Amino acid sequence: KAGVTQTPRYLIKTRGQQVTLSCSPISGHRSVSWYQQTPGQGLQFLFEYFSETQRNKGNFPGRFSGRQFSNSRSEMNVSTLELGDSALYLCASRLSANTGELFFGEGSRLTVL
Amino acid sequence: GEDVEQSLFLSVREGDSSVINCTYTDSSSTYLYWYKQEPGAGLQLLTYIFSNMDMKQDQRLTVLLNKKDKHLSLRIADTQTGDSAIYFCAEKIIVNNAGNMLTFGGGTRLMVKP
Repeated sequence: KAGVTQTPRYLIKTRGQQVTLSCSPISGHRSVSWYQQTPGQGLQFLFEYFSETQRNKGNFPGRFSGRQFSNSRSEMNVSTLELGDSALYLCASRLSANTGELFFGEGSRLTVL
Repeated sequence: GEDVEQSLFLSVREGDSSVINCTYTDSSSTYLYWYKQEPGAGLQLLTYIFSNMDMKQDQRLTVLLNKKDKHLSLRIADTQTGDSAIYFCAEKIIVNNAGNMLTFGGGTRLMVKP
C-alpha cells in the first residue's frame, strides 16, 4: 500500500509569490491534515479536511488555505509569501476525521527568498 | 489550553536504554503518540497508548503513561545508532466538541554514540 505522497518535495519561491502544495493520502483514507514544521515553532496544525470539507483549522492567517477533492487528494495554498513561511509542510492522512492514526508524508520543503 | 513539552536533547551510548519524557496539559486527551523523524523525512508513527492504559510494550519500545501527573515516556531498549532521530510526543485532543486533532511537543533529539 503506497504511503502519503506529497509534491513537490522541494521548492523555492520569492516574497509575494504564491505556492500550491499537493498531497495524496493513503488509499482508503478520507481525512487529510496539514502541518507546518519550523525550527522555531515546531509542528503546528494548519487544517484538516474530510469529505471535501474543512473540519478543523489552526491559528494561521487567511493567506493559508486548502481544499480537498472527491478522490480525497488535498492541496494547500499560501498566497503573498513571506520569509517566515519557509518551512517543511507535512501532510498526514487517516481513515476519517475522528478515526484512526495519522500517517505522514515526507513533506514539501518551501524556501522563501 | 493544550501544551506538550519535551526536553530538547538526549545522548546515550549504543546498547544502553534511552528514556524520552513528555508532559502534557489537556486532561481530555484520549490517545498519546510517539513519532520518529529522521533527517529530511516525515514523521513515522512509532507507537501509541490509549489514555486508560498505564503501559504498552512493543518489541524494544515501552510506553509508560502517568495520567495523574500527565507524564508520558518512551523507553527504547538496546538503543542502536539507527535510533538517532528526533522523537515527538503528541496528544489527541477534542476540538469543537466533536472533532479531534494532534498537538505535538517540540521534539527530543536523540543522539546515539557508538
